[in-house]
Amino acid sequence: EAGVAQSPRYKIIEKRQSVAFWCNPISGHATLYWYQQILGQGPKLLIQFQNNGVVDDSQLPKDRFSAERLKGVDSTLKIQPAKLEDSAVYLCASSLGSSSGGTFGSGTRLTVV
Amino acid sequence: GENVEQHPSTLSVQEGDSAVIKCTYSDSASNYFPWYKQELGKRPQLIIDIRSNVGEKKDQRIAVTLNKTAKHFSLHITETQPEDSAVYFCAAPRYNNNDMRFGAGTRLTVKP
Repeated sequence: EAGVAQSPRYKIIEKRQSVAFWCNPISGHATLYWYQQILGQGPKLLIQFQNNGVVDDSQLPKDRFSAERLKGVDSTLKIQPAKLEDSAVYLCASSLGSSSGGTFGSGTRLTVV
Repeated sequence: GENVEQHPSTLSVQEGDSAVIKCTYSDSASNYFPWYKQELGKRPQLIIDIRSNVGEKKDQRIAVTLNKTAKHFSLHITETQPEDSAVYFCAAPRYNNNDMRFGAGTRLTVKP
């Protein structure tokens, strides 16, 4: 089966600019996650979707981050405006259900300068 | 996440020895516990998981044990090989088994 697809692989932007990441989950996976992984740390869940509904976004900085999964398949994560501390790898993962291990995409490495 | 504590943060073993990594969690309702391996510059990959209805699960050289009473679970790697060198993450869900929280990771180095 095809894996979780993410784009772009790398992005460099200046602080206060906007950026968007795209994720296409494994076909049939109802649950989609966005994680932020800062260098040397474990992945931190930003938002979890079940189909097109948000299950958890308690750790999403909503003043600057937003995410959507309009048709219950692809998802986009946006940062506006970006800060230096947003530099990280943004990982998308998907799973069949909410209580099973997720399969991760390759991630987008964001550098904010 | 603050709900999952992982130890040790670094672990160095000789090839052929065993390695054990431990995690504790806080939500007694959690019932699913995955372990991920992340090689440098790559994505985390699920290597083994366990559900709360069993106390141990084994897959070749890898095993996971779960103690629900004490709220901790461990990863055991036997006969370690240099290619086992990576960062290992445990995870546990919160809130009705959503919101997967990851430990801080253990950097395992297997010396040939």
